[in-house]
Amino acid sequence: DQQVKQNSPSLSVQEGRISILNCDYTNSMFDYFLWYKKYPAEGPTFLISISSIKDKNEDGRFTVFLNKSAKHLSLHIVPSQPGDSAVYFCAASANTNAGKSTFGDGTTLTVKP
Amino acid sequence: DGGITQSPKYLFRKEGQNVTLSCEQNLNHDAMYWYRQDPGQGLRLIYYSQIVNDFQKGDIAEGYSVSREKKESFPLTVTSAQKNPTAFYLCASSSRNIRMGYTFGSGTRLTVV
Repeated sequence: DQQVKQNSPSLSVQEGRISILNCDYTNSMFDYFLWYKKYPAEGPTFLISISSIKDKNEDGRFTVFLNKSAKHLSLHIVPSQPGDSAVYFCAASANTNAGKSTFGDGTTLTVKP
Repeated sequence: DGGITQSPKYLFRKEGQNVTLSCEQNLNHDAMYWYRQDPGQGLRLIYYSQIVNDFQKGDIAEGYSVSREKKESFPLTVTSAQKNPTAFYLCASSSRNIRMGYTFGSGTRLTVV
């Protein structure tokens, strides 16, 4: 049973437009959500996170929205740049789980010039 | 510069051999993790450790073993009991503050020949 799902394996957007990456979760014990970016043959790098007590967190071009009732979060990138092309992983953590995170399968974002 | 180092970057193993993947961090992080990534899939947790001399199994621990004798080091041994070891292995560390996310190493690609 996959507890964190990213239903879109890939997304293609034009440079300068908005990229929206989605993530759904099933475990109501999750109380912290994180997004990571990964280039091929490299380890993921942490992008942005959000606590379950908030519904929005913004950091520069990146904004994460959390809808707890729908168990859904999304990452918005505005404006999208070609360098944003990568695989984006959604991850969730429960305070009771000693910091370990459960990851989705990732969404490959391609930003076209 | 602080960081997390995995070695080797590429590793080839013959059937029936044990191999050990190295992971070292100088971030003074308490927690360390091993994840496995297969093509088109997310990261699955193998083992994690919150403190020296203590570690717990993750979701796919069978065929793997770890040790945590020093805070800086968390080596992973892939034993001959692991039926399908060919994968990309990622080591990560984190502080107690989950909102900062994990710091990942650059990964080790293991291939069984």
